Amino acid sequence: EDQVTQSPEALRLQEGESSSLNCSYTVSGLRGLFWYRQDPGKGPEFLFTLYSAGEEKEKERLKATLTKKESFLHITAPKPEDSATYLCAASYQAGTALIFGKGTTLSVSS
Amino acid sequence: EAGVTQSPTHLIKTRGQQATLRCSPISGHTSVYWYQQALGLGLQFLLWYDEGEERNRGNFPPRFSGRQFPNYSSELNVNALELEDSALYLCASSLGGTTTDTQYFGPGTRLTVL
Repeated sequence: EDQVTQSPEALRLQEGESSSLNCSYTVSGLRGLFWYRQDPGKGPEFLFTLYSAGEEKEKERLKATLTKKESFLHITAPKPEDSATYLCAASYQAGTALIFGKGTTLSVSS
Repeated sequence: EAGVTQSPTHLIKTRGQQATLRCSPISGHTSVYWYQQALGLGLQFLLWYDEGEERNRGNFPPRFSGRQFPNYSSELNVNALELEDSALYLCASSLGGTTTDTQYFGPGTRLTVL
């Protein structure tokens, strides 16, 4: 069974304290790796898509990377408004939907 | 450009009733996906519609059903509601039906079953 595992479950940072979130996925047959941000009670907001090992994408303080067995979401100098749950999802064979991890809840305090 | 819209925002039902949730995809998107997000659980895939046809369904009982209309909007029906159906129901749309297409989510419908 294809799986996506995120760690840590929760992360507390001080404003400006950089860190990384991890997403491990079933390697065989990966077609795409997606990162979303979700605020409480709202729908996930798309951040990045990664398709192949070595690929990196950046947006403001966020950078997503993909290796052959995991993906990282690096947060540089976070601000309180970066507080949210970050979701990782993987797509596999044609005809199947995304498989989501349970997310990492990030809290950034000033 | 308008994003994915869902209605209603909140829905309160009692056990045994039926619930109908609606979704309008981003203009030009033909695929619509439904997910359930229960408290403490991750997003669980429910249904996938593309070009008016059901393409795949997740591990949910048949009382979860839906359809996609010619304008690509979609409806999710939940019959014989149970307490554990209380969750945030999310709709997403994508340009086509390939698994590498990015899915864009709506704001969700919060269903509460009493």
